[in-house]
Amino acid sequence: SQQGEEDPQALSIQEGENATMNCSYKTSINNLQWYRQNSGRGLVHLILIRSNEREKHSGRLRVTLDTSKKSSSLLITASRAADTASYFCATEPDTGRRALTFGSGTRLQVQP
Amino acid sequence: DAGVTQSPTHLIKTRGQHVTLRCSPISGHKSVSWYQQVLGQGPQFIFQYYEKEERGRGNFPDRFSARQFPNYSSELNVNALLLGDSALYLCASSFVTSGEQYFGPGTRLTVT
Repeated sequence: SQQGEEDPQALSIQEGENATMNCSYKTSINNLQWYRQNSGRGLVHLILIRSNEREKHSGRLRVTLDTSKKSSSLLITASRAADTASYFCATEPDTGRRALTFGSGTRLQVQP
Repeated sequence: DAGVTQSPTHLIKTRGQHVTLRCSPISGHKSVSWYQQVLGQGPQFIFQYYEKEERGRGNFPDRFSARQFPNYSSELNVNALLLGDSALYLCASSFVTSGEQYFGPGTRLTVT
């Protein structure tokens, strides 16, 4: 079953604009991660934010985490056509097995 | 450094047959996880192995089995294939069971 739910399911923007994707989850977590997937191939790890962190930056990426609302957001600034992909959030639980639970993904289309 | 490798890339099988998928982790990584990704959905956890021991199992039937070898490579076996087993099977490796995962390109299985 999918724990996380991304919002929106699909997003289309122009190059240079910012893209914001949201993720909600249900259980207590150790960390939350964002991945990118191009054309149904392997996933690429983008950023990991721990449960005791509220915000993290990596290049053009900014991730926030609100554990009280069980939600996270991924902001991609100054988007490029190469950012076109599906983006998934994945949660790692704070107890038991450390397997990731993925959301259903946001399909981002950046128009040149 | 070589990334996670998976073989074969594509596979077509008939209902009722058996399939073996293979994964080689990044050098130094001792944890391997398997995920199933059905078209249009996020990956779902199947198995996690660490130091050749099963550390977690997802909600999949007993037709699915896996193992990890002394060199940390892994096999995923699926018996009595069903049409619903058609999916992209992803392998991910990491140093330990927690934290960011490095994904391979996947094996696309089609069951007819």
